[in-house]
Amino acid sequence: EPEVTQTPSHQVTQMGQEVILRCVPISNHLYFYWYRQILGQKVEFLVSFYNNEISEKSEIFDDQFSVERPDGSNFTLKIRSTKLEDSAMYFCASGGQVNEQFFGPGTRLTVL
Amino acid sequence: QKEVEQNSGPLSVPEGAIASLNCTYSDRVSQSFFWYRQYSGKSPELIMSIYSNGDKEDGRFTAQLNKASQYVSLLIRDSQPSDSATYLCAVNMRGATNKLIFGTGTLLAVQP
Repeated sequence: EPEVTQTPSHQVTQMGQEVILRCVPISNHLYFYWYRQILGQKVEFLVSFYNNEISEKSEIFDDQFSVERPDGSNFTLKIRSTKLEDSAMYFCASGGQVNEQFFGPGTRLTVL
Repeated sequence: QKEVEQNSGPLSVPEGAIASLNCTYSDRVSQSFFWYRQYSGKSPELIMSIYSNGDKEDGRFTAQLNKASQYVSLLIRDSQPSDSATYLCAVNMRGATNKLIFGTGTLLAVQP
């Protein structure tokens, strides 16, 4: 069964450093998303991406964040200058023509 | 006003019983409703989607939607210890981007 994959599973970085989180969505899906979940809190929407452009972003997704689909398979989330409060699980999700979204296993980001 | 509300639990049920999980949402024009299961430290796993009023059954799971009352529920029949997890209600709010708004989740504990 096809699934969303994410790398790395755990990323530790120093405050102020740039990180890139990588995702490979399900191959025939057209809609891509990033969500995050701070420990003990609910899953929060960050950004949606369709047809090679951002279709919606949340208030969390400020100028420090960017997304890219550099080729036909990868979907990346970049955080330019990490802050302590960026520490969270970051989930990539993808969806086909219907509204269902399938989540990857997540990347745990720890900012020191 | 919170957009998607769930009782955080824990909801404790004996093995073999029916577990009933509830969710209310604030946006009257929400179109799509989802239940995800999240084991501790893992990513959300889609278990049910429902789009129209009434019941939808899939194996031991039944989702129920009442748009007039802005209420969606999940019933788990013949609960098993392996069903012990946090159940997340997610709602696709108005708009074309399919962004999901999640509740905080209900922790279900099935006692052997």
